[in-house]
Amino acid sequence: DTEVTQTPKHLVMGMTNKKSLKCEQHMGHRAMYWYKQKAKKPPELMFVYSYEKLSINESVPSRFSPECPNSSLLNLHLHALQPEDSALYLCASSQAWGIYGYEQYFGPGTRLTVT
Amino acid sequence: AQTVTQSQPEMSVQEAETVTLSCTYDTSESDYYLFWYKQPPSRQMILVIRQEAYKQQNATENRFSVNFQKAAKSFSLKISDSQLGDAAMYFCAYRKGGSNYKLTFGKGTLLTVNP
Repeated sequence: DTEVTQTPKHLVMGMTNKKSLKCEQHMGHRAMYWYKQKAKKPPELMFVYSYEKLSINESVPSRFSPECPNSSLLNLHLHALQPEDSALYLCASSQAWGIYGYEQYFGPGTRLTVT
Repeated sequence: AQTVTQSQPEMSVQEAETVTLSCTYDTSESDYYLFWYKQPPSRQMILVIRQEAYKQQNATENRFSVNFQKAAKSFSLKISDSQLGDAAMYFCAYRKGGSNYKLTFGKGTLLTVNP
């Protein structure tokens, strides 16, 4: 099973709302990633969790709060977002070791619209 | 800092023909990995092919092959017998070797396949 799932597929939220994005993988990967992607642009790395610990935070605003409850799950909590935060949010996972480790498998993404 | 350049924002190819997408990169590292990712209109990013810098042999995966020129820092993707399903945004990506989670993406090439 080489699948990364993300829910919801689409999300519309107001600037005062609180919502969460969810990502799940059952490949035994110990690294999980959040990316933000604007239309026709490459993904931009936001966060990396390695062995359930936050390994990389690419200076992301605090209105985005990641959480890794266990090795299979990754959440992104959203609060007080701005319209410019509207984007496709991609989750990815990879091994965290080995020659072919770090090869990332992506989920289908959550299309977020902030109104 | 490593950079990845895709000089062709858009390309088109006739079905059954061959097309080559260009990618150049800049790095001072000797140990690194290169990837081509495909992102169809459905938005799920899929790994097409990878190349280890220490391998002289060019990677191939069915109709997809690369021309890896290490000295020139060039990593082009050749798609043979193009199919309608090959239409997608293609991203070239670089990862430094070792325990490194970060992918550096190029800006992407949008490939259109004409019937």
